[in-house]
Amino acid sequence: ETGVTQTPRHLVMGMTNKKSLKCEQHLGHNAMYWYKQSAKKPLELMFVYNFKEQTENNSVPSRFSPECPNSSHLFLHLHTLQPEDSALYLCASSQEEEGSGANVLTFGAGSRLTVL
Amino acid sequence: GQNIDQPTEMTATEGAIVQINCTYQTSGFNGLFWYQQHAGEAPTFLSYNVLDGLEEKGRFSSFLSRSKGYSYLLLKELQMKDSASYLCAVKDSNYQLIWGAGTKLIIKP
Repeated sequence: ETGVTQTPRHLVMGMTNKKSLKCEQHLGHNAMYWYKQSAKKPLELMFVYNFKEQTENNSVPSRFSPECPNSSHLFLHLHTLQPEDSALYLCASSQEEEGSGANVLTFGAGSRLTVL
Repeated sequence: GQNIDQPTEMTATEGAIVQINCTYQTSGFNGLFWYQQHAGEAPTFLSYNVLDGLEEKGRFSSFLSRSKGYSYLLLKELQMKDSASYLCAVKDSNYQLIWGAGTKLIIKP
């Protein structure tokens, strides 16, 4: 496997379910990201992990919970979601350099989430 | 506030040239990125501009004017496979990426 891999590609869940999205990068990058993509809206940064530490949490509701067990894996745990959380969730990785932020992002194909 | 503006949708003809504009108002500037995203696929990196001028890469070119807060992506000899969304993003003074909503490009035969 190369690049950034996300599973599952599609997920349908009820508001009371608990599920997780998984992301794996095979690029040796030191930073990983979760983005939310909704139709006709800019990408919304949710979480950033740099050197395994969470460095960004853009006021994301607590029903989204990230986990980064190592520099290659990133999870997004979902519980008691709302229908408005239905969107494409993109994972990305990059090689971040101190003082310059993220360089080129490599994205996964996304997990399409539908909350009923 | 910070803002990136790009047209929502554009249509062009196969073999022609199209220019997708991006204007930005951000707190500082540390570079501008263009990404391509085919429907149902991952966004992929196209170009990066940090200095004024034109960067050419095959059929695609990207232009930047920092004084005008303006960039464009120029696609030449359009092919059907160029039908995609094109995302503009600016790295601000805190090195955070500010994204536009994307331009959906439709190529007609």
